[in-house]
Amino acid sequence: AQSVAQPEDQVNVAEGNPLTVKCTYSVSGNPYLFWYVQYPNRGLQFLLKYITGDNLVKGSYGFEAEFNKSQTSFHLKKPSALVSDSALYFCAVRDIQGNRDDKIIFGKGTRLHILP
Amino acid sequence: SAVISQKPSRDICQRGTSLTIQCQVDSQVTMMFWYRQQPGQSLTLIATANQGSEATYESGFVIDKFPISRPNLTFSTLTVSNMSPEDSSIYLCSALTGGTEAFFGQGTRLTVV
Repeated sequence: AQSVAQPEDQVNVAEGNPLTVKCTYSVSGNPYLFWYVQYPNRGLQFLLKYITGDNLVKGSYGFEAEFNKSQTSFHLKKPSALVSDSALYFCAVRDIQGNRDDKIIFGKGTRLHILP
Repeated sequence: SAVISQKPSRDICQRGTSLTIQCQVDSQVTMMFWYRQQPGQSLTLIATANQGSEATYESGFVIDKFPISRPNLTFSTLTVSNMSPEDSSIYLCSALTGGTEAFFGQGTRLTVV
């Protein structure tokens, strides 16, 4: 079964500084990897995904993520943080094996605080 | 992408009663899921709603407590049965489009008193 770990409950970054939110995963097949963001009292919004190909994927709002197969990681990054990036971020994984189409499992979430 | 509408957006229910949550997608989708989320916490998968067959439940969730219907490729319902205060949570509907990423409804905030 697949699993996702987000080791940090909270990340604090000063506005204008680069940010990284960490994620590691475990699958038995090939991973589809995702990042979602949730603002207060809102649903989850899709940010970006890795399916195959280039290890660096770009998504919404200037976010990007780097897939590292050897470290089984998929860290979320942004070169320059904005106060409006403050939210709850979830890493998620699907375990793709052959024709079996599996569910999406979420990490526990990391709360990102961007300090003005 | 897909637009997912959930109803109701919130409700306050008496213990022992049942609530049915509806999820409507604006296009046909391959898979639909139901999650539960405590505010500020992670999402826990309840079940996969299968079109034309019984839902697939995750460990800790049973059909008698959370019956699910999916009569077609755009609609699903989740019923929370015989509610107790422990069922107070946010319930989220999700749909897979194009076989890759999932999209989410705005959620149903349920309070059981």
